[in-house]
Amino acid sequence: EAQVTQNPRYLITVTGKKLTVTCSQNMNHEYMSWYRQDPGLGLRQIYYSMNVEVTDKGDVPEGYKVSRKEKRNFPLILESPSPNQTSLYFCASSLLGGDTQYFGPGTRLTVL
Amino acid sequence: AQTVTQSQPEMSVQEAETVTLSCTYDTSESDYYLFWYKQPPSRQMILVIRQEAYKQQNATENRFSVNFQKAAKSFSLKISDSQLGDAAMYFCAYRSALWAGGSEKLVFGKGTKLTVNP
Repeated sequence: EAQVTQNPRYLITVTGKKLTVTCSQNMNHEYMSWYRQDPGLGLRQIYYSMNVEVTDKGDVPEGYKVSRKEKRNFPLILESPSPNQTSLYFCASSLLGGDTQYFGPGTRLTVL
Repeated sequence: AQTVTQSQPEMSVQEAETVTLSCTYDTSESDYYLFWYKQPPSRQMILVIRQEAYKQQNATENRFSVNFQKAAKSFSLKISDSQLGDAAMYFCAYRSALWAGGSEKLVFGKGTKLTVNP
């Protein structure tokens, strides 16, 4: 089944404790992206990647890191999480130039 | 930069009736895609319908159709014969066409919460 998976689905952590949210797709998509969703703000792009070893900042990259060492994986790293990073996070992927992005199930992160 | 505006934070409709959700966008590009995504309580982002800007014909997917007015930069979603399962948050989104020099980024509106009353 073609899909985007994210882990964990739920995470409660404390300020400053490094964490990684994994994202994997099995559709051989070149493009992958991370978004965060906050009430009243819709979804905003954090980082994206157009291919292996090619990443770039989106609209809200502060406090986040990403890497793209394999085509299928695009982990989101929070080196020192803060409470303002409490949010719902989505990973998405698509073919380059493709019309539709496919979303993972979301990760609910709470930073205390 | 492109922006997407959904002016209705909340809407309600009676089961079996028709409802229209509004979306306007701002862009200077001539080629792009527009989308409506549905987010039910499960939080999954589900693609409802997509429209290519260079196509004048409005997209239709079963009970879902759009009214795409390119000159007015308007992209409304019409849901016919509303069902209880249609209750969700609906997001309008814009994406530039890559071949026109754009990025793959989706620009989202803030969403419209749709309630379906039995």
